[in-house]
Amino acid sequence: GAVVSQHPSRVICKSGTSVKIECRSLDFQATTMFWYRQFPKQSLMLMATSNEGSKATYEQGVEKDKFLINHASLTLSTLTVTSAHPEDSSFYICSARDSAYVSGEQYFGPGTRLTVT
Amino acid sequence: GQQLNQSPQSMFIQEGEDVSMNCTSSSIFNTWLWYKQDPGEGPVLLIALYKAGELTSNGRLTAQFGITRKDSFLNISASIPSDVGIYFCAGQRAKNAGNMLTFGGGTRLMVKP
Repeated sequence: GAVVSQHPSRVICKSGTSVKIECRSLDFQATTMFWYRQFPKQSLMLMATSNEGSKATYEQGVEKDKFLINHASLTLSTLTVTSAHPEDSSFYICSARDSAYVSGEQYFGPGTRLTVT
Repeated sequence: GQQLNQSPQSMFIQEGEDVSMNCTSSSIFNTWLWYKQDPGEGPVLLIALYKAGELTSNGRLTAQFGITRKDSFLNISASIPSDVGIYFCAGQRAKNAGNMLTFGGGTRLMVKP
């Protein structure tokens, strides 16, 4: 089946630094990837839609200058949390849609636990 | 923000019991999906429903796409300890909406051994 990987799985960083999270589709191409954030005991909230070769589309309330998204290839999207603060600590999950199918389902990565100290 | 109402929020059940959870929405979705998420991991797709009225099974799991396209339910029969986790429903609108998913609040399933 389709596999999506994320790296790193866990990261701890100091307040004010930047952190990059990678999302890769391992055995399929994905023109569209999605980034979600999940706080403890809450549901997944869509942050942005990442489109290969074009700018990401951000959900209302998500700062595009703080959460930089780059989707430079059909198998890789990156999310960079800039100038991280403790309130950015969360579980970040990406998903990728198989471009081969018009109504391709989304496959989720295993998530990245970000802790900002 | 979140637009799907999922219930119950949590439940304890005895091993072997059947479980039922549901999601409702004020608007129509063209696809309903049910995911399970284990602690510290991403969601895994359990069942996908593409037509109103559709009833689909996956082992001990059965899910239905409501005829109004505004609701769906998931049943788990004869629950076992490994069924523990959080179950999410998700709705997807038209393809030209970018295949974005809207998630329910989740149902935390806890099984007494």
